[in-house]
Amino acid sequence: GAVVSQHPSWVICKSGTSVKIECRSLDFQATTMFWYRQFPKQSLMLMATSNEGSKATYEQGVEKDKFLINHASLTLSTLTVTSAHPEDSSFYICSARGTSGRVAKNIQYFGAGTRLSVL
Amino acid sequence: QKEVEQNSGPLSVPEGAIASLNCTYSDRVSQSFFWYRQYSGKSPELIMSIYSNGDKEDGRFTAQLNKASQYVSLLIRDSQPSDSATYLCAVHTGGFKTIFGAGTRLFVKA
Repeated sequence: GAVVSQHPSWVICKSGTSVKIECRSLDFQATTMFWYRQFPKQSLMLMATSNEGSKATYEQGVEKDKFLINHASLTLSTLTVTSAHPEDSSFYICSARGTSGRVAKNIQYFGAGTRLSVL
Repeated sequence: QKEVEQNSGPLSVPEGAIASLNCTYSDRVSQSFFWYRQYSGKSPELIMSIYSNGDKEDGRFTAQLNKASQYVSLLIRDSQPSDSATYLCAVHTGGFKTIFGAGTRLFVKA
């Protein structure tokens, strides 16, 4: 099946630093990528949707200047949490959707997630 | 009304029983429907996809879709403790967005 690789799997950083999370589709072209955040025992919360080569579309309440998303190629999207603070500590999950090849219609494939802890 | 609704649970079933998970959706023109399983601390993984009315079986899992009733379900036969997880219903709507339900927690008692 389609594989989405996400790195790092977990990161601890000091308050005020920036953290970059990478999401790669390994065996298909991801025309659309999604970034989610999930707090313990809560449901997935969509942060933003990005299409290759264009600016990301952020959900209401998500600060685009704080969560920078780049989708520069059909296999790579990055999320940078700028000036991270303890309240940004969460589980960040990327997801990718392709339109051809080995990927099935309209299916989102998820990365393993990144657990961010900001001290 | 939420776009995709699921009972949050927990749904508790004994080992070996059938677990029945339900989901309703609001967008009548939705065409694609998915079930994901999410273990605690892990990301969601796709279990089933279904596009047409009726049943679709894959091993111990059966997805059922009724577009007229805007209802999709997942049956897990011979439930095992390893099936204990949160099950997310996802609907690809006419607006080309995939909307996830909040999930149903399933607990299978040994």
